[in-house]
Amino acid sequence: DAGVIQSPRHEVTEMGQEVTLRCKPISGHNSLFWYRQTMMRGLELLIYFNNNVPIDDSGMPEDRFSAKMPNASFSTLKIQPSEPRDSAVYFCASTYEQLNTEAFFGQGTRLTVV
Amino acid sequence: AQTVTQSQPEMSVQEAETVTLSCTYDTSESDYYLFWYKQPPSRQMILVIRQEAYKQQNATENRFSVNFQKAAKSFSLKISDSQLGDAAMYFCAYRSLWAGGFKTIFGAGTRLFVKA
Repeated sequence: DAGVIQSPRHEVTEMGQEVTLRCKPISGHNSLFWYRQTMMRGLELLIYFNNNVPIDDSGMPEDRFSAKMPNASFSTLKIQPSEPRDSAVYFCASTYEQLNTEAFFGQGTRLTVV
Repeated sequence: AQTVTQSQPEMSVQEAETVTLSCTYDTSESDYYLFWYKQPPSRQMILVIRQEAYKQQNATENRFSVNFQKAAKSFSLKISDSQLGDAAMYFCAYRSLWAGGFKTIFGAGTRLFVKA
């Protein structure tokens, strides 16, 4: 299995631009998580989906952030408009709740907003 | 809401020696999982060890072991015979098991330095 695949690995964008981060979970997994990692705040859970349905989005920082999971094999995290304080590493993770205990992480996307 | 606290921002250990990383958590739940993840400079999150709350026996994985104290809500990681490759950020994590979701919450992390 290729594991959780995130794209792009690195993204540099200008303030005010729309940014879309992509994630392909491990095939067969039914839960997907988006995390943000910064030096100041560590790893924060932004949102998680179960069977493609958003279960808890209380970690989404503000309305500029949105996440979708149109099917079991794809999810996006969109920031519109982006701001310099959104610069961070964004991780996607997936798991199969009825079988696995831990989440499996992708390599992360390093986002820089200038 | 559950919280995970790692009180040691940085730790240092001499190669071949033993180091213990601390973690405490707060929860009102009785069933849950606890994890230690390692994040090397490559930034990949790697599972080191897991502990089921209903098991009293401490988990062990080769040179890595935990001291799980459920009543004290403490979950420390012991690394024996430290190696240069153990240098990384270590995150303690809590996973809820309540119906409707299985989200994982992470501590702030401890950066481990290994001296040759």
